[in-house]
Amino acid sequence: GESVGLHLPTLSVQEGDNSIINCAYSNSASDYFIWYKQESGKGPQFIIDIRSNMDKRQGQRVTVLLNKTVKHLSLQIAATQPGDSAVYFCAGRYNQGGKLIFGQGTELSVKP
Amino acid sequence: GAVVSQHPSWVICKSGTSVKIECRSLDFQATTMFWYRQFPKQSLMLMATSNEGSKATYEQGVEKDKFLINHASLTLSTLTVTSAHPEDSSFYICSATTGRGAFFGQGTRLTVV
Repeated sequence: GESVGLHLPTLSVQEGDNSIINCAYSNSASDYFIWYKQESGKGPQFIIDIRSNMDKRQGQRVTVLLNKTVKHLSLQIAATQPGDSAVYFCAGRYNQGGKLIFGQGTELSVKP
Repeated sequence: GAVVSQHPSWVICKSGTSVKIECRSLDFQATTMFWYRQFPKQSLMLMATSNEGSKATYEQGVEKDKFLINHASLTLSTLTVTSAHPEDSSFYICSATTGRGAFFGQGTRLTVV
């Protein structure tokens, strides 16, 4: 069945360090992946996306890597700040009407 | 641009009553919207796809008679939780997709007492 999962449920990093959040997916039919940040009591906030025909995309302080061979996705956050503390979800879009299937989520905690 | 607004942000209702949650696309038209629910410390689970002018498509295991979805216009989808029970207490989130990606509402915290 479809699933998009994460390796680590929690991640604690020191302020200024780089963070890497991982995600594995099982359904190779996805054509598009997105990383979201969710703060407590709020809806998901778009961070960065990548299409399945790419293997890397960079944004401001964030980079997403896609390895289709092993069905693995990662989000790298450079110089992590306390404001980055949140739960991060990966999501894959599947061709059946564009619905998103979300991964388990990783809670990122940044220590000052 | 691409703002999705939900109302209410939170609601408390008595067991057995029905609750309606609204999802609006404020600056774009959305022929398709999606409804998710999220339990504490868990991920978002897709409940249904709301299609403007036609019936919603429900995910496996989601009761369509309990979670009524109406998408009567290109900017509004509603989710009605009928005969709510405490186990329906959850965080409900809607989203809409544009050419720039999927955007989410701020969520509605439903508590059934």
